[in-house]
Amino acid sequence: DAKTTQPNSMESNEEEPVHLPCNHSTISGTDYIHWYRQLPSQGPEYVIHGLTSNVNNRMASLAIAEDRKSSTLILHRATLRDAAVYYCILKTGGTSYGKLTFGQGTILTVHP
Amino acid sequence: EAGVAQSPRYKIIEKRQSVAFWCNPISGHATLYWYQQILGQGPKLLIQFQNNGVVDDSQLPKDRFSAERLKGVDSTLKIQPAKLEDSAVYLCASTTGWSTDTQYFGPGTRLTVL
Repeated sequence: DAKTTQPNSMESNEEEPVHLPCNHSTISGTDYIHWYRQLPSQGPEYVIHGLTSNVNNRMASLAIAEDRKSSTLILHRATLRDAAVYYCILKTGGTSYGKLTFGQGTILTVHP
Repeated sequence: EAGVAQSPRYKIIEKRQSVAFWCNPISGHATLYWYQQILGQGPKLLIQFQNNGVVDDSQLPKDRFSAERLKGVDSTLKIQPAKLEDSAVYLCASTTGWSTDTQYFGPGTRLTVL
C-alpha cells in the first residue's frame, strides 16, 4: 500500500480555519485519498475523499495538489468537537474490496 | 439508520484465557472488517469478509485469533489464548463493498489482558 506522511500534531484556536497536510508522493493513478477522524473513545468516522479534483462536503474541504503527491484537509471553522486524530489514507480504487491502511495520523488540538 | 453495533464495550481477562467479541454491521453491508488498535497507534486490519467469505486475513495471528461471519451478517472475533500484547481496542467496520465507499465503524471493544 502507498504510504502517507502527516505531522504528528497540530493546534488551532476555536472558530479559526485549520489546514491539515498530507504527503503521498508514491500515490498511484487509481488511489483515492480518504480522510477519517477519530474522536476520543470512538471508532473512526469518514470525513471526505477525492481522486483528482478538490472536494467539499458539510464537514470539510479537500484540496488535492495538481500532481496528486500531497493534499490538505481544510476545516473552515474549527470547533472544540473537531479535536480528534485525523488520518489521511490512500485507498486503491478499481477493486470492490478496498481496504484502509491507517498510519499514525495527526492529533488536532483545538483551543477555546 | 442504525450504526455498527459491537459488544461487549469493555472486557478484562487474565492472560491465557479466551475471549470473544461480537459485531452486527449496518443492514445490507456486504463487507465487514475487524481492526485492532493498540494505544497510540492507528487501527490495523486483522480480517476482511465479503459476505461470509474471507477476502484478507494476512495480518490475523491465526495461531490464536479466529473470526467467522455466519450467514454473511453478524461476525465474531475470538482470541484463544490471550496474551498481554493483545490489550487493545477491537473495532468492527462495514461497507457496501464498493471500492470508493466509506467504512462505518462501531464504537469498539476495549480489551485489557492482565
